[in-house]
Amino acid sequence: GENVEQHPSTLSVQEGDSAVIKCTYSDSASNYFPWYKQELGKRPQLIIDIRSNVGEKKDQRIAVTLNKTAKHFSLHITETQPEDSAVYFCAASTSYNQGGKLIFGQGTELSVKP
Amino acid sequence: NAGVTQTPKFQVLKTGQSMTLQCAQDMNHEYMSWYRQDPGMGLRLIHYSVGAGITDQGEVPNGYNVSRSTTEDFPLRLLSAAPSQTSVYFCASRRQSGAEAFFGQGTRLTVV
Repeated sequence: GENVEQHPSTLSVQEGDSAVIKCTYSDSASNYFPWYKQELGKRPQLIIDIRSNVGEKKDQRIAVTLNKTAKHFSLHITETQPEDSAVYFCAASTSYNQGGKLIFGQGTELSVKP
Repeated sequence: NAGVTQTPKFQVLKTGQSMTLQCAQDMNHEYMSWYRQDPGMGLRLIHYSVGAGITDQGEVPNGYNVSRSTTEDFPLRLLSAAPSQTSVYFCASRRQSGAEAFFGQGTRLTVV
């Protein structure tokens, strides 16, 4: 089955710096790759996603890149702000024919220091 | 719309007790899933469903049962609670396999 590995587990940056979180997946049939942000004590919420037919997607300060050949994808946050501090999860989803399971990585705790 | 509603928010069980975590969604989503969240382990898939009457096992299904008799509801049953099941449980629903997952507010379960 699908396995998603996420690194690093913790990341500390200064306000204004960039942050990069990387994930690898095992199932080459996976075709949807979302990223979720979870603030302390809250539920995870989608911040950006990418599909397998796209190599890069950007939304303001957040961007995601996908390398299907290497089976890895990354989250890039530029000009970080203290409110970006949270736990970030990557995930991979198989197609409907393969059950459509959404499998998450282990999470990255991002701390942005003012 | 209420979205995804989980009950209860907090629960303490004694070892060996059974209970059901409730999950309901009002978005007419076909896909529903249960995850547990433990420190350093991320969100691990327990069971999932792609429609009423269809369920399947996820990454960590042992000790848990599910059923999906309606599109709206997806309860998770703990058959005989163990301390290893102490965790935060999240229910999530999606319209389809390549769509955003919406999470409930979570249930913090402690087994003593």
